[in-house]
Amino acid sequence: QSVLTQPPSVSGAPGQRVTISCTGSSSNIGAGYDVHWYQQLPGTAPKLLIYGNTNRPSGVPDRFSGSKSGTSASLAITGLQPEDEADYYCQSYDSSLSALFGTGTKVTVL
Amino acid sequence: QVQLVQSGAEVKKPGSSVKVSCKSSGGTFSDYAFSWVRQAPGQGLEWMGRIIPLLAITNYAQKFQGRVTITADKSTTTAYMELSSLRSEDTAVYYCASSDDYGDYYMDYWGQGTLVTVSS
Repeated sequence: QSVLTQPPSVSGAPGQRVTISCTGSSSNIGAGYDVHWYQQLPGTAPKLLIYGNTNRPSGVPDRFSGSKSGTSASLAITGLQPEDEADYYCQSYDSSLSALFGTGTKVTVL
Repeated sequence: QVQLVQSGAEVKKPGSSVKVSCKSSGGTFSDYAFSWVRQAPGQGLEWMGRIIPLLAITNYAQKFQGRVTITADKSTTTAYMELSSLRSEDTAVYYCASSDDYGDYYMDYWGQGTLVTVSS
């Protein structure tokens, strides 16, 4: 079964820049499928943060940005804020005809 | 602005089935694809499958093939997810989510989640 691998946790001080990686394979990200990112605050439903690798939905602050290269993608948060403390998930599509979520990353603001 | 409102929490016995509903409002129902995603306690997100009501197309994650059925009722703008042969490992919060992009599988509107507890 295909997997999108993320680091379990990342941390940073307020104002710093953090990045979250999402590593896939030739059957998903490497096959050209788009990567999307979600933020999940404790006890709430996920929220779409980035779609189509780099696009922000209306209302998402521009300190969140996405990129993709080869079989991997990244989410960057610049100017880290206390309210950014949450779980983050990448998501793509796989040649097995399924959507696929990453393993998730907990962001801690120090 | 699309709103998705899900049915309430359920407690089920192992071996039984559960059917969760997801009522959509604020948009044109037929413009959207509806996915179901679950999250076991303390775990990550897991995509189960989705339906495109306009095209009457469903596809399911391999893991759930044969055990999950996703349907949609255009007259009531409601999507449903039924999971059968429940086991304790199916205890999770189940989310419905929608997108107006059929091709890209991202999910931009989410329901509040429905907790399904499987216990004898």
